Amino acid sequence: EVQLVESGGGLVQPGGSLRLSCTASGFTFSSYWMTWVRQAPGKGLEWVANINQDGSDKYYVDSVKGRFAISRDNARNSLFLQMNSLRAEDTAVYYCARLICSGSCYSAFAYWGQGTLVTVSS
Amino acid sequence: DIQMTQSPSTLSASVGDRVTITCRASQSIRSLLAWYQQKPGKVPKLLISKASTLESGVPSRFSGSGSGTEFTLTISSLQPDDFATYYCQHHDSYPITFGQGTRLEIK
Repeated sequence: EVQLVESGGGLVQPGGSLRLSCTASGFTFSSYWMTWVRQAPGKGLEWVANINQDGSDKYYVDSVKGRFAISRDNARNSLFLQMNSLRAEDTAVYYCARLICSGSCYSAFAYWGQGTLVTVSS
Repeated sequence: DIQMTQSPSTLSASVGDRVTITCRASQSIRSLLAWYQQKPGKVPKLLISKASTLESGVPSRFSGSGSGTEFTLTISSLQPDDFATYYCQHHDSYPITFGQGTRLEIK
């Protein structure tokens, strides 16, 4: 069974940093692109970042470029999101998810973690 | 960036109704569109990818169609479990974007 478990969320002051983790199990982690998607309270879904299987390709939404960094450790079946210079508008539940890879990979997100809440407030 | 616009934003319907949600892209995304269902306090669930490919385990009353810039999600006969918010999302290029959501509520 595919499982994704996020951790690392919490309350942080504006300008602060936080590192989110996502631990994967039930599949060959190193074979899949992974993603972070966020959802502000009462709002819709927003894609944040993608990373390929070996971590050599990364893509970000403009609003987080230069502040957030996605990475992975395939030996530990783990995905990370380093978030720096946090702003109030970054307040959201952050989900990690797995892309569909069947031959090629594409950015439809078939498996999601339960999410971790990040609150940026003074 | 490709903008995704869903209509309507809210839809009131009854059990047994046939409902259609529309998603329009600001430029062609070929057939690279996904649909998700999200219930309050729950994780989004992928229903359909590549515009019309039903995910394993998703009831056959759900169907997707379209290509280019206009897409639809159809539920052929609404069941009580279907009342939720639905999102479209393109997976054609970066940045990936979602529609604003359509809330399907009980009439």
